[in-house]
Amino acid sequence: GAVVSQHPSWVICKSGTSVKIECRSLDFQATTMFWYRQFPKQSLMLMATSNEGSKATYEQGVEKDKFLINHASLTLSTLTVTSAHPEDSSFYICSARLAGVDEQYFGPGTRLTVT
Amino acid sequence: EDQVTQSPEALRLQEGESSSLNCSYTVSGLRGLFWYRQDPGKGPEFLFTLYSAGEEKEKERLKATLTKKESFLHITAPKPEDSATYLCAVRAGGFKTIFGAGTRLFVKA
Repeated sequence: GAVVSQHPSWVICKSGTSVKIECRSLDFQATTMFWYRQFPKQSLMLMATSNEGSKATYEQGVEKDKFLINHASLTLSTLTVTSAHPEDSSFYICSARLAGVDEQYFGPGTRLTVT
Repeated sequence: EDQVTQSPEALRLQEGESSSLNCSYTVSGLRGLFWYRQDPGKGPEFLFTLYSAGEEKEKERLKATLTKKESFLHITAPKPEDSATYLCAVRAGGFKTIFGAGTRLFVKA
């Protein structure tokens, strides 16, 4: 149980274009979903927290107009990187948490490369 | 300020050589301490949740323990397939989860 999927697993896009990443909880309803960014050999950096039907809460230093998060349902959250630049290249990971449970369950991650 | 520190940064073991990873934390109002395993290019895999000092949890060759200031992940007779990065995270009273930098474990056959 507690399986989280992400799509796509990797994507290459050109500078200036937008990319959408989907995060789905497959066998449970996620009241809260999280988006992280991870650089090589570094730990997870929380970008934003989203609750179904509410606006996402962004961490300090994360541009909300650049990283658009939509949590449309209890099983789906999307992250759209707008006007991507090479410095946005990174490993993006989502996680989900059930109501009343403290641990998070992570998706497999999406490798974004901006050329 | 809430903080999570893991040590060592990297650990190299021979197959069968038991050892421990450390996670020390300073948070206000601990709501849970979590251990995850992360393989290269993949998302973290949940291992354990610990809530109170003295609590222990086991899974195969892994055993997690918790005190008021730190947690240990004990690895007994590790195998090469145990090689991964082990992440410790703490959920504080403000409900935010804070991750440590991780310990990269290498187990050589």
